[in-house]
Amino acid sequence: EDQVTQSPEALRLQEGESSSLNCSYTVSGLRGLFWYRQDPGKGPEFLFTLYSAGEEKEKERLKATLTKKESFLHITAPKPEDSATYLCAVQPSGYSTLTFGKGTMLLVSP
Amino acid sequence: NAGVTQTPKFQVLKTGQSMTLQCAQDMNHEYMSWYRQDPGMGLRLIHYSVGAGITDQGEVPNGYNVSRSTTEDFPLRLLSAAPSQTSVYFCASNQRGQRGEQFFGPGTRLTVL
Repeated sequence: EDQVTQSPEALRLQEGESSSLNCSYTVSGLRGLFWYRQDPGKGPEFLFTLYSAGEEKEKERLKATLTKKESFLHITAPKPEDSATYLCAVQPSGYSTLTFGKGTMLLVSP
Repeated sequence: NAGVTQTPKFQVLKTGQSMTLQCAQDMNHEYMSWYRQDPGMGLRLIHYSVGAGITDQGEVPNGYNVSRSTTEDFPLRLLSAAPSQTSVYFCASNQRGQRGEQFFGPGTRLTVL
């Protein structure tokens, strides 16, 4: 059974305090791994796609990386506006659907 | 472009009532999906469609019906509402070949009493 586990469930940072969120996955074959951001009361917003181990993507203060078993979302010098829930999802090979993790709720205090 | 729109934003139903959640997109996306999001459970796929006239079941389809008569619209029908269907419902769409880059609507918060 395909599984996606995100850790920690919640993370509180001070503004400027860099950290990483983890997404570990178990799939028979990986077609793609995706990161989304979700603000309270809104729908998820797509951030990154990663296809193969060693791949990295960056956007502003966020950098996503991928290994054969997990992905990290690195947040460098976060700001309060980075506060959100970050969701990870995988698409197994041969499937057209995504399996989502439960998310990490990030709170960045000024 | 309005993107993905959903109506209503909030709804309260009594057990046994039926209703339709509306979803529309103006991006000409072939794929559309319905998810529910519950505390501690993450997003779970209810039904999805890969084009007009084609639908398939997701992880939690029981109690829900869908149809796709046009590319733009993908309504979700609750046949006989139950308290277990209290949730936030999201509609999403994506281009063919971009299954991971889904565009989500703002959601419908449904309470079943």
